[in-house]
Amino acid sequence: GEDVEQSLFLSVREGDSSVINCTYTDSSSTYLYWYKQEPGAGLQLLTYIFSNMDMKQDQRLTVLLNKKDKHLSLRIADTQTGDSAIYFCAESMGGTGRRALTFGSGTRLQVQP
Amino acid sequence: EAQVTQNPRYLITVTGKKLTVTCSQNMNHEYMSWYRQDPGLGLRQIYYSMNVEVTDKGDVPEGYKVSRKEKRNFPLILESPSPNQTSLYFCASSFRARTGKRETQYFGPGTRLLVL
Repeated sequence: GEDVEQSLFLSVREGDSSVINCTYTDSSSTYLYWYKQEPGAGLQLLTYIFSNMDMKQDQRLTVLLNKKDKHLSLRIADTQTGDSAIYFCAESMGGTGRRALTFGSGTRLQVQP
Repeated sequence: EAQVTQNPRYLITVTGKKLTVTCSQNMNHEYMSWYRQDPGLGLRQIYYSMNVEVTDKGDVPEGYKVSRKEKRNFPLILESPSPNQTSLYFCASSFRARTGKRETQYFGPGTRLLVL
C-alpha cells in the first residue's frame, strides 16, 4: 500500500539551512510534492518534482529525489523565521482517479532567531 | 481570485447534532476532496468527487456523507457527530488528474471542529 513518512519536528537557527526528509513506499509514484502549512492556514503548494528527475531548484528551495531509496528531501537555504510552518510531502500517481495525493504526517519546522 | 472557501471556519457542537461544512471553489475544477488533519497522522482523505454526482469513499469515510449536486460545491455532512470527529477539516479541488499529468490541489483555509 501507499505510505509516506516524515520526521515530526526540526529546529534550526535563522540563516542556517533546513533539510526536511520524507520516505515513501509506492514505486509507481509519478509526482512528489512539498506543501507548506502556516498556523491557522490551509496548505500551500511549495514545489514538486517529477519522478524521473533527481533534483529541482527553485530560489531558496532544493528538492532532491532518490528514487532507488524512495527518499525525498526539501532543503531550504538561509532559513527565515517566516519559514516556520508544517511541511508535508505528498505523492501521487497522476490520473489514478481515486486519490490524487497521499500525504505524510508533516514536519514542524521551528526557526529560532 | 481563484480560491476554495469553507464555512464555518470554527465550529463547536454537541454529540449527535447534525452539521454541514460547506466547500465552494470558483475554478471550475472537476475534482474535489475532503481531508481531515489530526496530530501525527497528516491528512487523511474522507471522500472525494470526480465530478457532479460522482462521489466515492476515501480512507476514513465512516460517519461522513457528501454530495456533489453542482460542480462548485462539495458539502461535508456529519449526520450524528461524535467526539472522535473533532479535527481540522480541509476541502481541496483540482482539475481531474490525467495519467502522467501533474496534480495541483488547491486547499481551503480549513474548518476546526470540536464535538463535545
